[in-house]
Amino acid sequence: EVQLMESGGGLVQPGRSLRLSCAASGFTFDDYAMHWVRQPPGKGLEWVSGINWNSGDLGYADSVKGRFTISRDNAKNSLYLQMNSLRVEDTALYYCAKDAGPGYSTGWWDSWGQGILVTVSS
Amino acid sequence: SYELTQPPSVSVSPGQTASITCSGDKLGDKYVSWYQQKPGQSPVLVIYQDRKRPSGIPDRFSGSKSGSTATLTISGTQAMDEADYYCQAWDSKTGVFGTGTRVTVL
Repeated sequence: EVQLMESGGGLVQPGRSLRLSCAASGFTFDDYAMHWVRQPPGKGLEWVSGINWNSGDLGYADSVKGRFTISRDNAKNSLYLQMNSLRVEDTALYYCAKDAGPGYSTGWWDSWGQGILVTVSS
Repeated sequence: SYELTQPPSVSVSPGQTASITCSGDKLGDKYVSWYQQKPGQSPVLVIYQDRKRPSGIPDRFSGSKSGSTATLTISGTQAMDEADYYCQAWDSKTGVFGTGTRVTVL
């Protein structure tokens, strides 16, 4: 059974940093691309970032480009999101999602974590 | 930036058919996925590559596409299908979700 467990969320002041982690199990992690998707309270889904199986190809939404960095450690079956210069509008539930294939920009997401809340507020 | 437009809400009686549209520029050239999200839960994939259904998804869920509009159809809608539904596509290596549609089973 695929399991994705996010951690690292919490309350942070505007302008500060936070690092999210996603621990994966139940599948061969380095065979698949991975993604972060977020959902502000009461609003819709927004794709944040994706990374292919070997970290050779990755991408970001315009809203986070230059501030967020996605990475993965295949030896640890883990996905990360380094979030810098956080803004109030980054407040959201952040989901880790598994791609159905190795490339990050053509597939679909067949497994999702439970999400971790990030609140940016002074 | 690329946009996918969905109706905010769709109401359907139990046993009837619900249709949710998703429109976007040149959507015909892109694959569309659909996700179901029930309150307090994570999204679940219900359709991928326009019309394929993952294992475990009931066959009352189907997808289609014509021109720049994709459609998710729920046939014989059940109370358990009440949820938010989002379409999704890729544009220039950027993931884009639709605005979301709340399906209410009256």
